[in-house]
Amino acid sequence: GAGVSQSPSNKVTEKGKDVELRCDPISGHTALYWYRQSLGQGLEFLIYFQGNSAPDKSGLPSDRFSAERTGGSVSTLTIQRTQQEDSAVYLCASSADRTNSPLHFGNGTRLTVT
Amino acid sequence: GQQVMQIPQYQHVQEGEDFTTYCNSSTTLSNIQWYKQRPGGHPVFLIQLVKSGEVKKQKRLTFQFGEAKKNSSLHITATQTTDVGTYFCADTSMDSNYQLIWGAGTKLIIKP
Repeated sequence: GAGVSQSPSNKVTEKGKDVELRCDPISGHTALYWYRQSLGQGLEFLIYFQGNSAPDKSGLPSDRFSAERTGGSVSTLTIQRTQQEDSAVYLCASSADRTNSPLHFGNGTRLTVT
Repeated sequence: GQQVMQIPQYQHVQEGEDFTTYCNSSTTLSNIQWYKQRPGGHPVFLIQLVKSGEVKKQKRLTFQFGEAKKNSSLHITATQTTDVGTYFCADTSMDSNYQLIWGAGTKLIIKP
């Protein structure tokens, strides 16, 4: 079946512009995560959606970052007024429920801010 | 908050040598998941350990969960070039709203 789909796969933007990154999770998965990964580094948690609960936004690095999940499915991560330090791979993952289910990752969006 | 310490950061091995990565915590781990990320790829789930002292094997990979549930290890026997990548452990922490608490990863590098 279809896995987690992210778009675009690559995005180059100028400093100061806004960007939107999209994640389409596996159908039926209630949990959705956004992570950021800089080159050669680990996974930096950004935000977590679980069903209809309020999202856990504790990992968002600044108020320039926001995310939505519409209808419990597709999610959009928005970065306003991008900065060069925002350059990274943004990974989305989904899982079947809130306890112990493995995460299924998308291929990520590589964001480059020039 | 809870932290999962993963060591070493890098391990260089000759092809055919063994590789081990360790995850440790000062608090009791809930359930440990292991992921592999190939260069340029995304993390892929390998296995989950739930019970104290649990040992699971996948071909040349052996996963262990400590008796006190404060550590876990992944051992690869006779490494091959296909094993290259970064191996991450993660704890499914109920204390953090079921967030995964990730280790920093161990990068397996095969010496040319």
